[in-house]
Formats: sequence, C-alpha cells, structure tokens
Amino acid sequence: AQRVTQPEKLLSVFKGAPVELKCNYSYSGSPELFWYVQYSRQRLQLLLRHISRESIKGFTADLNKGETSFHLKKPFAQEEDSAMYYCALSAGGTSYGKLTFGQGTILTVHP
Amino acid sequence: GEEVAQTPKHLVRGEGQKAKLYCAPIKGHSYVFWYQQVLKNEFKFLISFQNENVFDETGMPKERFSAKCLPNSPCSLEIQATKLEDSAVYFCASSPSRTGQETQYFGPGTRLLVL
Repeated sequence: AQRVTQPEKLLSVFKGAPVELKCNYSYSGSPELFWYVQYSRQRLQLLLRHISRESIKGFTADLNKGETSFHLKKPFAQEEDSAMYYCALSAGGTSYGKLTFGQGTILTVHP
Repeated sequence: GEEVAQTPKHLVRGEGQKAKLYCAPIKGHSYVFWYQQVLKNEFKFLISFQNENVFDETGMPKERFSAKCLPNSPCSLEIQATKLEDSAVYFCASSPSRTGQETQYFGPGTRLLVL
C-alpha cells in the first residue's frame, strides 16, 4: 500500500526567506506526485504535479526516486503563500486515479 | 458547471439518523471521487466512479455507506445510521479521466456533524 508523509505539521518563515515543505512517500511502483494547496476559505486546488515539471507561483518540486521524496520549494516566500499544503500520490494498477494524501503542512509567512 | 458543487454545506445529524450528501461534478468530467477528512487530518479515499459505474470502492465502509452517480443527476453519498466517528468533511472531486496524471478538481466539501 502507498503512503505519503509530511513530517512538519506547521512551518513558519518570514517574507523573502526560502521555504521547503517536505514530502516523503512509500510506494513500490512508479508514482505520480502532486502538491495541492488550500488557501483560507478556498477549496483545495492543484499547485503542481511532477509530470509537468512546471514552476507555479514560484514553487518547484523535484521527484527524487532514490530518497522517495517530493519536497516543495520556493526561494523567496510571500505572505500570500500562507496556506495548507498537501502532498499527494496517485498509484497505478486498480488504484489509478485515487489520491493518497499526506497529513498536510500549514505554512505561515510572516511580514 | 465550471466548478464542482457540493450540497449541503453543513449537515447535522443525531446518531443513528441518515445523512445524504450531493456532488455535481464539472460538466464533461467522467470521473468522480469521494474523500473523507476527519478533524482536518489526512484525506481518506472512499469511492470513485466512472460515469455511473463504481470504479474503485476499496475505501468504503460497506455496512453503512453507499454512493451513486446516476445520469443527469448529482452524485450522492449516503450514510445510513450515522455514528459519531462519521463526523468529518466529505469532499467530492471530479476529473476528466482517471489517469494518474490528471488534476482532480475539488468541491468545497460538506461538513457533517453527528451528535
């Protein structure tokens, strides 16, 4: 069975500082990985997915299969980045499409 | 519609009562997923549909939970004889396909409180 771990429940940084939200996964196959974000009073929405190799709102995430990690990074945090972030994995086989989420990390960016 | 809609926003039930939640996926999306989030913790997958067919129901507590997606109707998730531990936010998501790479679009959730 697959599992996603986000070791930090809370993360606080100051505006302009670099930020890294950690995500580790366990899955024997080749996973698809995502970062979803939930801003205050908004619905959960996709931030980025590893297959696209995009940078969204300055965030990037690299899939490291050796370390089974998919950490989310941003070099200069902004106050509007304050939100709840979820790392999620989509497995293959009959589980295709179903997302397994981590516990989430609340990011607070202080002015 | 352009967004996934869920009704009601809030639902309060006494223990043992029935609860029914609704989800209207984005028009043109063939796949619907239901997730349960207890106490702001991780999301637990319940069930997925491809159109009106159950695709994966491995997360469903079979005894009291049931779900349907009928043509031309919102999808529904029903809990018979609710228990205190069913108190959670229930999220619905839709996707144009089920491939692992597709974005899932989430609804705002229905907050169920069982007293």
